[in-house]
Amino acid sequence: GAGVSQSPRYKVAKRGQDVALRCDPISGHVSLFWYQQALGQGPEFLTYFQNEAQLDKSGLPSDRFFAERPEGSVSTLKIQRTQQEDSAVYLCASSFDGTSHIQYFGAGTRLSVL
Amino acid sequence: QKEVEQNSGPLSVPEGAIASLNCTYSDRVSQSFFWYRQYSGKSPELIMSIYSNGDKEDGRFTAQLNKASQYVSLLIRDSQPSDSATYLCAVIPGRGSTLGRLYFGRGTQLTVWP
Repeated sequence: GAGVSQSPRYKVAKRGQDVALRCDPISGHVSLFWYQQALGQGPEFLTYFQNEAQLDKSGLPSDRFFAERPEGSVSTLKIQRTQQEDSAVYLCASSFDGTSHIQYFGAGTRLSVL
Repeated sequence: QKEVEQNSGPLSVPEGAIASLNCTYSDRVSQSFFWYRQYSGKSPELIMSIYSNGDKEDGRFTAQLNKASQYVSLLIRDSQPSDSATYLCAVIPGRGSTLGRLYFGRGTQLTVWP
């Protein structure tokens, strides 16, 4: 595709429900990042993939958060037993490789946990 | 101390004026600096990157970097109402963290009034 694609755009979950957020990066991009953006804040790093390898997951806030990129392309961020504090916009970004430093962002998934 | 600090504003300027946005960072060996623009409800869009001390100009935008003062700024000349958005400063630290991981400030909200 022409850009980074994320789905769904909006997700409403009941507290305790599991959710899965999808990211389809720009074709050929090696690096993939997930960020969490709370209202009125800048994005905060969650995790990073280089191809299918998850090289850094230090930003994941708890063990309820899990991300994968099994074939080095599409990535899924899963949140188990959602809590109200998980409500945020989840942004995915990709870059050509780990050294280009230019990241292209998707439109994000706005998660609301009720 | 947050890695990247920005005045959250809001900053309000009249159409045609120069808007000046400022950012400081804590990691002295940071090498890569970015300005992203984010319209309400949209994803961050890269507008400037700068890697060396001095000024970098692109159309109406000028980024300025002073590594000795750990300071990076963005000037928008001839501001237009369409420039109204939140501007995010982002830094890649130079120490051994994830290559390409961006640290964002909380953003400065700019309003350009006609």
